[in-house]
Amino acid sequence: AQSVTQPDIHITVSEGASLELRCNYSYGATPYLFWYVQSPGQGLQLLLKYFSGDTLVQGIKGFEAEFKRSQSSFNLRKPSVHWSDAAEYFCAVGERNAGNNRKLIWGLGTSLAVNP
Amino acid sequence: DAGVTQSPTHLIKTRGQQVTLRCSPKSGHDTVSWYQQALGQGPQFIFQYYEEEERQRGNFPDRFSGHQFPNYSSELNVNALLLGDSALYLCASSLVRFSYEQYFGPGTRLTVT
Repeated sequence: AQSVTQPDIHITVSEGASLELRCNYSYGATPYLFWYVQSPGQGLQLLLKYFSGDTLVQGIKGFEAEFKRSQSSFNLRKPSVHWSDAAEYFCAVGERNAGNNRKLIWGLGTSLAVNP
Repeated sequence: DAGVTQSPTHLIKTRGQQVTLRCSPKSGHDTVSWYQQALGQGPQFIFQYYEEEERQRGNFPDRFSGHQFPNYSSELNVNALLLGDSALYLCASSLVRFSYEQYFGPGTRLTVT
C-alpha cells in the first residue's frame, strides 16, 4: 500500500524567509502527487500537483515543488514566506485500486507558523 | 460556479446517537469521496460514490454508511456514535470517476460528547 511521510510536524519561519516542507512517498510506479493547504477551520485547497513531465511544478500562491524519483520525495518550496502562509500543509499520493477507482493517501501534515 | 458545499458546519451529538452529513459536489462533478480528519491528523479515506453506488471503501466499520442521489449529492451516515468519531468530515468531488484531482468542501465538524 502507498504511504506518505511528512517528517516535520511543525515548522516556524520568519516572514520573508524561504521555506521547504518535506514529503516522502512510498509507491511502486510513477506517483500522482499533491500538496494541499488547510487554513484553521477550513477545508483543503490544492496548491499544486505532479502527474508526469517536468519534475519542477509551479502552483498557486508562489509555491513550487520538485519531484525526485531517486529520493522518493516531493518537497514543497517558497522563496519568501508571507504571514498569510501560516497554515497546515498536507502532501498526498494518488492510489488506484483493482477496479480503477482513485483515492488520495495523506501524510500527517506539517504545521507552519510564520514569525513577523 | 459553486464549489463543494457541506452541511451542517458544526454538529454536537451524544454517544450512541446517529448523524447524517450532507454534501453537494462541485458543478459538473459526478464522483464524491468522504474523508475523516481527526484533530492533528491527515484525512483518512472513508468511501467513494459514483453512479449512486459505493465504489471503494477505506478501513471504517459498517457504522459508517453513505448514499449518493441522482443529482450527485451525497450523505454520510454514522450510527452508534463513539467519542472517537469526533472529527472534521470532509467531502471531496471529482470531475470523473477516474480522476485523482479532488476538490474539497469546508467540512463538517462533528463533536461527540
